[in-house]
Amino acid sequence: GDSVTQKEGLVTLTEGLPVMLNCTYQTIYSNAFLFWYVHYLNESPRLLLKSSTDNKRTEHQGFHATLHKSSSSFHLQKSSAQLSDSALYYCALSDLYGSSGNKLIFGIGTLLSVKP
Amino acid sequence: GGIITQTPKFLIGQEGQKLTLKCQQNFNHDTMYWYRQDSGKGLRLIYYSITENDLQKGDLSEGYDASREKKSSFSLTVTSAQKNEMAVFLCASKTGGEQYFGPGTRLTVL
Repeated sequence: GDSVTQKEGLVTLTEGLPVMLNCTYQTIYSNAFLFWYVHYLNESPRLLLKSSTDNKRTEHQGFHATLHKSSSSFHLQKSSAQLSDSALYYCALSDLYGSSGNKLIFGIGTLLSVKP
Repeated sequence: GGIITQTPKFLIGQEGQKLTLKCQQNFNHDTMYWYRQDSGKGLRLIYYSITENDLQKGDLSEGYDASREKKSSFSLTVTSAQKNEMAVFLCASKTGGEQYFGPGTRLTVL
């Protein structure tokens, strides 16, 4: 079945270093949408990035990701980590225009901890 | 802008107890969701509803019931709370490709 894999459960970084959170997926959807949601402590999860276009970089709030359908990947990156980036990050998959378009399939989440 | 509210924020129950969690949204979204959040397991879908009075089971529906009597509200019932269970339940609603989440209800079962 369809699935999203986030290999790292915890990523610990020093402030100023680059961030890369891995996301790979498996799907039969021909029109897959990939999402990154961020969940800060004591807040609601919210959408950070989304894309359905192959090989096109999408950016928001200093983060960027590129959907690569050839490798089924949608890794989240940032050039320089900030303390305020510490949060739980979820990668998610949907077939937006298909019969399963109402559902998101989430990965297990990656907890990013940025230290001074 | 809209908002999703979840009540209660914290819920403490006893083993075997039936517990109800409530969610309200004023976005006027058609589709609403209940997820369970456990550390290391991500967000798992319990139930969702694409319109008033519609209910669709997710992967984790066993042990839960849901109710969507109004477009703006979606309730989840834990039919029999399990001892030592601890989890966060998140409600969400959807427009287009984006889901908007509530702040969550944290459940502890003694």
